Amino acid sequence: TQLLEQSPQFLSIQEGENLTVYCNSSSVFSSLQWYRQEPGEGPVLLVTVVTGGEVKKLKRLTFQFGDARKDSSLHITAAQPGDTGLYLCAGDNYGQNFVFGPGTRLSVLP
Amino acid sequence: DAGITQSPRHKVTETGTPVTLRCHQTENHRYMYWYRQDPGHGLRLIHYSYGVKDTDKGEVSDGYSVSRSKTEDFLLTLESATSSQTSVYFCAISEHRVTYEQYFGPGTRLTVT
Repeated sequence: TQLLEQSPQFLSIQEGENLTVYCNSSSVFSSLQWYRQEPGEGPVLLVTVVTGGEVKKLKRLTFQFGDARKDSSLHITAAQPGDTGLYLCAGDNYGQNFVFGPGTRLSVLP
Repeated sequence: DAGITQSPRHKVTETGTPVTLRCHQTENHRYMYWYRQDPGHGLRLIHYSYGVKDTDKGEVSDGYSVSRSKTEDFLLTLESATSSQTSVYFCAISEHRVTYEQYFGPGTRLTVT
């Protein structure tokens, strides 16, 4: 069974700070997605990474896929209160299965 | 936003009663999924469908059944609800191309008393 771990589980920071959250597995994935979920809503896709070592930027968010395609990180620069939410990573193995990590709950205080 | 709706959005039911949750999409995506989300467990796959009348079990399928008679509708049924099935249920859709991104509905909060 493929498992994804995320760290930290909870993170509370001040507006303007930088942060990095991690998504790790012992398994290789064909692609990995990051989602953000706000209270009372469904997860919303942020990005998909496919190639080992790939780096994608989405405004102040930088996503990296590990060289071995087993792990990923999300870095947020100058966090804002609007970044508050639950960040989920999800790994896919060519459509054979789809597994979500437990999430990192981020709180950005004004 | 992908056109996905779930109904009902909230439901309270008693142990032992049957419950059906509906997911409706307007995107004509082939794949549809049902997840449950519980604190400390993240999203866990219950069942999924890869076409009309084609379904398969996920990680936590015991106590649940599904049906898909039309591309746009995917139903999740709890034959006899138990308190352990109190959860938030999400439907998702996907159209597998190069990668397999999923798009989620707004969720249904189910409480079994």
